[in-house]
Amino acid sequence: GENVEQHPSTLSVQEGDSAVIKCTYSDSASNYFPWYKQELGKRPQLIIDIRSNVGEKKDQRIAVTLNKTAKHFSLHITETQPEDSAVYFCAASRGYQKVTFGIGTKLQVIP
Amino acid sequence: DAGITQSPRHKVTETGTPVTLRCHQTENHRYMYWYRQDPGHGLRLIHYSYGVKDTDKGEVSDGYSVSRSKTEDFLLTLESATSSQTSVYFCAISPGTGYEQYFGPGTRLTVT
Repeated sequence: GENVEQHPSTLSVQEGDSAVIKCTYSDSASNYFPWYKQELGKRPQLIIDIRSNVGEKKDQRIAVTLNKTAKHFSLHITETQPEDSAVYFCAASRGYQKVTFGIGTKLQVIP
Repeated sequence: DAGITQSPRHKVTETGTPVTLRCHQTENHRYMYWYRQDPGHGLRLIHYSYGVKDTDKGEVSDGYSVSRSKTEDFLLTLESATSSQTSVYFCAISPGTGYEQYFGPGTRLTVT
């Protein structure tokens, strides 16, 4: 089955700096790669996603890049703010089937 | 938030008892999923459904069963609860027009 590895497990950055979280996947047939943000005690919320036919996608301060050859994808957050502090999860799937999540990265933005 | 509710939101039960968690959606989405979330493991798929009466196993399905008799409801049953099933359980739905999933508020289950 699919295996998704995510690192780092914790990340501290100063407010205004950039944060990068990286994930690798094992199943070359995976074609959908979402990123979720989860605040303490709340549900995971989709923040950005990318399909295998796209190399990069941006939404304001958030971007995701995908390297299919190397089977890795990354989340980039620029100009970090205290409200970006949360746990971020990457995931990989073949469409609707059996989504596999990484173990999460706890991001702390220090004011 | 998408129209997803989970019930109960909190439950404490004893080892060996059956437990049923309910996920209800008002979005008429085709796909529904059950996950459990544990520290150090992220979110792990238990079962998912791709239509009424159509379900498939995820990576941690042992000890769990599901049923979907209506589009809007997806039930997760712990046949005989064990302490290892203490966890936070999330339901998610997906529209079928894209792959994105939307999560419910979660159920915190404690098995004593």
